[in-house]
Amino acid sequence: EAGVTQSPTHLIKTRGQQATLRCSPISGHTSVYWYQQALGLGLQFLLWYDEGEERNRGNFPPRFSGRQFPNYSSELNVNALELEDSALYLCDSRRTGRGYTFGSGTRLTVV
Amino acid sequence: SQKIEQNSEALNIQEGKTATLTCNYTNYSPAYLQWYRQDPGRGPVFLLLIRENEKEKRKERLKVTFDTTLKQSLFHITASQPADSATYLCALVPNAGNMLTFGGGTRLMVKP
Repeated sequence: EAGVTQSPTHLIKTRGQQATLRCSPISGHTSVYWYQQALGLGLQFLLWYDEGEERNRGNFPPRFSGRQFPNYSSELNVNALELEDSALYLCDSRRTGRGYTFGSGTRLTVV
Repeated sequence: SQKIEQNSEALNIQEGKTATLTCNYTNYSPAYLQWYRQDPGRGPVFLLLIRENEKEKRKERLKVTFDTTLKQSLFHITASQPADSATYLCALVPNAGNMLTFGGGTRLMVKP
């Protein structure tokens, strides 16, 4: 089966701009989770979407938002970019009780 | 507060030896615990899952133990190889909810 796909692979934005990141889950998976991994830090939970609805969010400001489409793909939007938003953004697609499958991530660099 | 702790210092071992990585947690009641491998700039890759009622799980050269009394999991790689060099992450899924919470990871370096 096709894995979790994320696009773009790399993204360079200027401080104050908006970034849009995309994630397509494994076929048949309805949940998408987003994480931020800043350099040298662990994965921090950002957002959880399931069946088109936001189910939970981590300790991030409202300028981090997203949505999930009817085909279960998801978009993460980061508004008013700050330098510290530079990180690897990962999404995972899951089936309860089993290991979760991550995409390769989007490396966002804010300059 | 809830914490998942992994040794933040890199673990350096010689090829052929057994690598043992530790994951300690506090204020969690995990339903299960997972171990992932992460290479630089890539997403984590699932390795093993162990449930709260399981003491040990094996997969090829990998072995995971789970002690809910000590609140600790150990991850072993036997007959380690340079290709095993990576960062290894433990992650917990609590009994209440399905959020995956990660430790900070331990970098393993296997020298030939």
